[in-house]
Amino acid sequence: DTGVSQNPRHKITKRGQNVTFRCDPISEHNRLYWYRQTLGQGPEFLTYFQNEAQLEKSRLLSDRFSAERPKGSFSTLEIQRTEQGDSAMYLCASSFRQGNLDTQYFGPGTRLTVL
Amino acid sequence: AQSVTQPDIHITVSEGASLELRCNYSYGATPYLFWYVQSPGQGLQLLLKYFSGDTLVQGIKGFEAEFKRSQSSFNLRKPSVHWSDAAEYFCAVGPFDTNAGKSTFGDGTTLTVKP
Repeated sequence: DTGVSQNPRHKITKRGQNVTFRCDPISEHNRLYWYRQTLGQGPEFLTYFQNEAQLEKSRLLSDRFSAERPKGSFSTLEIQRTEQGDSAMYLCASSFRQGNLDTQYFGPGTRLTVL
Repeated sequence: AQSVTQPDIHITVSEGASLELRCNYSYGATPYLFWYVQSPGQGLQLLLKYFSGDTLVQGIKGFEAEFKRSQSSFNLRKPSVHWSDAAEYFCAVGPFDTNAGKSTFGDGTTLTVKP
């Protein structure tokens, strides 16, 4: 078990460019989550998948954001036409729901800086 | 709607001293409570969790937390702090049941350890 991995760890981009992040969950975990964390704040929920189905999206997830989880394995988060306000740490977590319990394990995050 | 309040933004303790980090939650049903720790530039590591049973739960790194339903609190404690405990600590509440698997986080408490 290698834990949740995220790539890249850091991304610097210019305003208006598109960026894509990848998350590889823990093997056999059926749920995958994306959170955003800005300086001085706790993580804020963006969206989550159960297998390949995207079950919930936060209103924080504007139409410039899209997430996919093809085949229920890794996931990608794409931000189009980046804005300076998108600068944040993007965290991925995975879990395996057992009954009604769901414990999320987090990856190291991708830090995005938009210039 | 669920919410988490961590009243202390920053706490400083001397190495070897005891520690208590406060967490208050608001949730309309049975809460599933977590404490995570985050080192600078890193993801979140799960310290402990509470769902039911004994209200005093033990976690990793010598941490424990006590659930008090009457006070809607889930405070984190450690009897003797080590310099390596300096980090940011997040309390979170997650849902029991439902398909809404997201967690809601507090804004964190930054712990500084004095030599």
